Parts: sequence; structure tokens; C-alpha cells
Amino acid sequence: AQRVTQPEKLLSVFKGAPVELKCNYSYSGSPELFWYVQYSRQRLQLLLRHISRESIKGFTADLNKGETSFHLKKPFAQEEDSAMYYCALANSGGSNYKLTFGKGTLLTVNP
Amino acid sequence: NAGVTQTPKFQVLKTGQSMTLQCAQDMNHEYMSWYRQDPGMGLRLIHYSVGAGITDQGEVPNGYNVSRSTTEDFPLRLLSAAPSQTSVYFCASRLRESYEQYFGPGTRLTVT
Repeated sequence: AQRVTQPEKLLSVFKGAPVELKCNYSYSGSPELFWYVQYSRQRLQLLLRHISRESIKGFTADLNKGETSFHLKKPFAQEEDSAMYYCALANSGGSNYKLTFGKGTLLTVNP
Repeated sequence: NAGVTQTPKFQVLKTGQSMTLQCAQDMNHEYMSWYRQDPGMGLRLIHYSVGAGITDQGEVPNGYNVSRSTTEDFPLRLLSAAPSQTSVYFCASRLRESYEQYFGPGTRLTVT
């Protein structure tokens, strides 16, 4: 069974500080991992996908298969980064995949 | 292009009442899903569909029915609402060959 663990329900940092949102996964196959973000009063949207290896809004995430982690990082947090962040895993079962979400981390960036 | 739309935005039901949450997308996406979002539980998959006429159960399907008669619409039916179904419900869709899911704005349901 696939599982996604986000150990922090809440994370609070000051503007300009580095931020790291933790995500660990459990999956026997080759995973596809994502970060979704939900800003206040907005719908969920895709932030990052591990396979694209890009930086979005200053955020990066590296898949570490040895530690089964996909932590989301940003060197200098901004107030507009305050949101709920969900880590998600897709089983690599071709196009019929299902997404499993973690329980989410609420990030608050204080001025 | 409206994307994924959901109606209603808010709903209050009494225990035992039935209702249908509507979801529609205009992106010609084959895949559609329903999730519920509860505090401390994250998003959990209720039902999903890989195309018109094909549906399957997700992680928490009990108490919910779905059908997919067209590519565009994927309604979620609560046959006999229970307080445990108080939640925020999100519909999502994607193309078959894409991993990116597009979410609707959500429906906040309260069952008293």
C-alpha cells in the first residue's frame, strides 16, 4: 500500500527565513511525487512534480529514494507563501494511477 | 474555459436527507475524481472515473454513489446523509496522459 507522511501539521517561519516542508513516502514501486498548494480561499493547484526538476515560486523539491523523502524547500520564505501544502504520491501503474495525499502542512510566514 | 466547476458552494443537510453534488469540466479530461478534505486527514479519494460509463471506488466510498454518463459531468450522490459526511468536497480532473490534476473550488457540506 502507498502512504504519504507529512509530519508537521503546522509550520511557522519569519519572512526571509529558509523553509522546509517534510514529506516521506512508502511505496514498493517507482513513485511519482508531487507538491500541491492551496492558498486561502483558492482551489488546490499543482506546485511541483519531481520528474520535472524545476523551481516554482522559488520552491524546489528533490526526490531522495534512499530516505524515501520528497521535502519541499525555499531559501527565503515570503508572506505570500502562507498556504496549505500537500505532498502526493502516484503509483506508477501507467495512466490508471491514483493519487495518495498526505495530511497537509499549514505554512504561516510571519512578517 | 471555466475549468472544473462545482455546485453548490455551501450546503446544509439534515441527517437522512439525500443530495447530489455537481461537478463539471470543459477541458475534455478523461479522468475525474471526488475527494473529501477533513482537518488532520488531508484529502481522501472517494470515487473516480477513467471515462464515460466507467467508475471505481477510492479509499472512502461508503455512503456515496457516482455515475459518469458524459465526459463533462461527474455528480456525487449522498443517498442518506450522516454527520460523518460533514466535510469539504473537491472534484478534480485530468487528461489520461498527464499527472496534473485540476481541482474545482470545493463544496462545503454540513450535515446536522
